[in-house]
Amino acid sequence: AQSVAQPEDQVNVAEGNPLTVKCTYSVSGNPYLFWYVQYPNRGLQFLLKYITGDNLVKGSYGFEAEFNKSQTSFHLKKPSALVSDSALYFCAVLHYNQGGKLIFGQGTELSVKP
Amino acid sequence: DAGVTQSPTHLIKTRGQQVTLRCSPKSGHDTVSWYQQALGQGPQFIFQYYEEEERQRGNFPDRFSGHQFPNYSSELNVNALLLGDSALYLCASSLMSALPSYEQYFGPGTRLTVT
Repeated sequence: AQSVAQPEDQVNVAEGNPLTVKCTYSVSGNPYLFWYVQYPNRGLQFLLKYITGDNLVKGSYGFEAEFNKSQTSFHLKKPSALVSDSALYFCAVLHYNQGGKLIFGQGTELSVKP
Repeated sequence: DAGVTQSPTHLIKTRGQQVTLRCSPKSGHDTVSWYQQALGQGPQFIFQYYEEEERQRGNFPDRFSGHQFPNYSSELNVNALLLGDSALYLCASSLMSALPSYEQYFGPGTRLTVT
């Protein structure tokens, strides 16, 4: 069965420091991986995706993610955090054999302090 | 270009009642998926509609049903509401022919409170 795990409920970072939000996955077949961000009382906004190709994927708002097949990980990164990056981040895997069902992790709350 | 829209924004219902939530997909998209997000959890897949048919379904009871119209918009119906149905209901749209490389675009959600 496809699954995603986000081992950290919360990540705290100082503004200007690099940030990492962790995600590991378990899939049968090729992994199709996504990161979404959710601001309070809002829907999910797409950040980036890995389908195939380069292991380093660049996305919106300066975020990037590194796909590591041997470690089955897809960690979200940003070189310099902003206070406005504070939000809830979700990693998801696409269950392709079932037409495009997204399976989400539990989410990681990122808090960036000035 | 309008994104995914959902209505209503908020809804308060009583146990046992029925509710209908609505979603209009992003322009050019033909597939609508519904997710339930309980407080403090990640979204859970309810079902997906394509070509006016339910194509796949998550682990939700038959009290949850849906519909897709010829203009690709969709409704989610929940009957016999339970307290546990209180959640943020998210609609996501996509283009089926773009699988697997597409991203799903989410609406702002409908906050359902069951009292």
